[in-house]
Amino acid sequence: DTAVSQTPKYLVTQMGNDKSIKCEQNLGHDTMYWYKQDSKKFLKIMFSYNNKELIINETVPNRFSPKSPDKAHLNLHINSLELGDSAVYFCASSQGSGGFQPQHFGDGTRLSIL
Amino acid sequence: DQQVKQNSPSLSVQEGRISILNCDYTNSMFDYFLWYKKYPAEGPTFLISISSIKDKNEDGRFTVFLNKSAKHLSLHIVPSQPGDSAVYFCAASEGDYKLSFGAGTTVTVRA
Repeated sequence: DTAVSQTPKYLVTQMGNDKSIKCEQNLGHDTMYWYKQDSKKFLKIMFSYNNKELIINETVPNRFSPKSPDKAHLNLHINSLELGDSAVYFCASSQGSGGFQPQHFGDGTRLSIL
Repeated sequence: DQQVKQNSPSLSVQEGRISILNCDYTNSMFDYFLWYKKYPAEGPTFLISISSIKDKNEDGRFTVFLNKSAKHLSLHIVPSQPGDSAVYFCAASEGDYKLSFGAGTTVTVRA
């Protein structure tokens, strides 16, 4: 059973479109995250939710909007996609404080903007 | 501004020998450090961690060393095996929810 699953795995779309990436975890964790891995391979935190409440909101364009319908799901909606949004997006989850509890990652969604 | 740096993008080591991966950080408020391993087309997998109150943590073939005064940590893999070929990320936290990652080191274990 996959612990953190993201869909879709690949997403190819045109500039200006709106798209969503879904994430679900079955680990019973109360905290979920979205990371972006850019072309330089750095993993950067974008958002984090704890029990459906936003706790981390890094400097991310407001075209990106996370939504957590319950603590097992954290979806990412992106409006008006731009070329610079091309990256791999990883969802992760942890129990309690992320600093002392390892985060478990999904396999990523590779977003390519044409 | 990258607070966690892995200055060696790649490392090649013979099977059976030791792999040593290095990581430097600039934020003195970091108090928890983790290593993640990543295979292609998969997400990072947690490997081992260390709290700032320790200077060494061991788990099987993997040992992490922390030198707080130098703001440096290293991961030792002994002995290296072909399945260890992957990208290794160093990460650090101030004890909150946010992890800062390095750029990764690609390890290739030669038969």
